[in-house]
Amino acid sequence: DIVMTQSPDSLAVSLGERATINCKSSQSVLSGRNNKNYLSWYQQKPGQPPKLLVYWASTRESGVPDRFSGSGSGTDFTLTISSLQAEDVAVYYCQQYYSILPITFGQGTRLEIK
Amino acid sequence: QVQLQESGPGLVKPSETLSLTCTVSGGSINNYYWSWIRQPPGKGLEWIGYIYYSGTTNYNPSLRSRVTVSVDTSKNQFSLKLSSVTAADTAVYYCARHLSGDSIIYYLDYWGQGTLVTVSS
Repeated sequence: DIVMTQSPDSLAVSLGERATINCKSSQSVLSGRNNKNYLSWYQQKPGQPPKLLVYWASTRESGVPDRFSGSGSGTDFTLTISSLQAEDVAVYYCQQYYSILPITFGQGTRLEIK
Repeated sequence: QVQLQESGPGLVKPSETLSLTCTVSGGSINNYYWSWIRQPPGKGLEWIGYIYYSGTTNYNPSLRSRVTVSVDTSKNQFSLKLSSVTAADTAVYYCARHLSGDSIIYYLDYWGQGTLVTVSS
């Protein structure tokens, strides 16, 4: 299994400040076939299903505010919220789809307002 | 707009079989991969398994011996059966759609709202 490890487990950031969430995979999720990183990010608010934010490590899903950005390659990835808004309070998960047996998620990072 | 809706009993007795159905509306189940994912209360996400509209399946090795996923394209539905359940199977169960390309499965773009299944006598 590819183990996905997020850091930190929880994070408190002031409104308008930058929030950074890290995700590390136990093996590379970069495909040599198409040079794409098989890594996505999801946002989950209380009582709601996860919502796709970013795929291919850095492609923002349609409708996602541009304050959300994904970066990284190989085994180390970052989700950055450039200017935290109150509605961004949520748990964030990374997920790899490089190896589908099994598909794996990070343990989640809880983001709160300081 | 594609919508997914899980349905099934919210309470299952230990040792029995959990059965859920996901109904897809606003789009066809054809030509897509569909997954079941679960989330125990207060915990993270665990992928259970997926099915292609043609019926091809793959399951999480940790659950493979107890899981069956099936599809009914005529009803635009796919289903989950999890046998011999215990309290550890108590979770919110989500169905979701994968994007894919060249028969390779990618990320999850649409999710159902989820349904809580409690295993208890």
